Amino acid sequence: TQLLEQSPQFLSIQEGENLTVYCNSSSVFSSLQWYRQEPGEGPVLLVTVVTGGEVKKLKRLTFQFGDARKDSSLHITAAQPGDTGLYLCAGARAAGNKLTFGGGTRVLVKP
Amino acid sequence: GAVVSQHPSWVICKSGTSVKIECRSLDFQATTMFWYRQFPKQSLMLMATSNEGSKATYEQGVEKDKFLINHASLTLSTLTVTSAHPEDSSFYICSARAGERSQWRREQFFGPGTRLTVL
Repeated sequence: TQLLEQSPQFLSIQEGENLTVYCNSSSVFSSLQWYRQEPGEGPVLLVTVVTGGEVKKLKRLTFQFGDARKDSSLHITAAQPGDTGLYLCAGARAAGNKLTFGGGTRVLVKP
Repeated sequence: GAVVSQHPSWVICKSGTSVKIECRSLDFQATTMFWYRQFPKQSLMLMATSNEGSKATYEQGVEKDKFLINHASLTLSTLTVTSAHPEDSSFYICSARAGERSQWRREQFFGPGTRLTVL
């Protein structure tokens, strides 16, 4: 059983549609990060959230950290083919601690 | 963000040989570096945590005598896969975190990964 559960595991949508990826846990995290990874490359950091209830926006991407700091979501508006990739959430139980990764969500945006 | 490099980007070796992978933080001092392994279509699995100047801490199930980690400086960590076998074939990724006083103390920055294929 993974400490961080991501859902869905795979998402295929048409260009222009919206999508939401969820990251859930029964544990509290000091901080939570979202990464995007393309095949054959390392993960690239998208955002770090640290405060319960926090919402951060990065162009068409909106990240939310749950009030209890146990869950997070990533919402993409008007998805584009360039958004295709593996989205990973990762949490740290305390500042400076190692990250625990979710299982990942593979997103495919078809033109 | 900060930049982390890995070398080589890919390597093919014969079974029984050893392979060394380097991880460098290019524009910051990394007090802690992490090594991950990723199998196809799976997420990252942490192998070990290394702090500069001290022994690495390995995750449960990871053989420390097989995966030798050295973090000799604040910008370089190495992972040596000893006596590699085909089941060690994987994508190895390192990450680096800056010190507690750094603006990046909460983030880990990842290298581009090294694809290891053992024949």
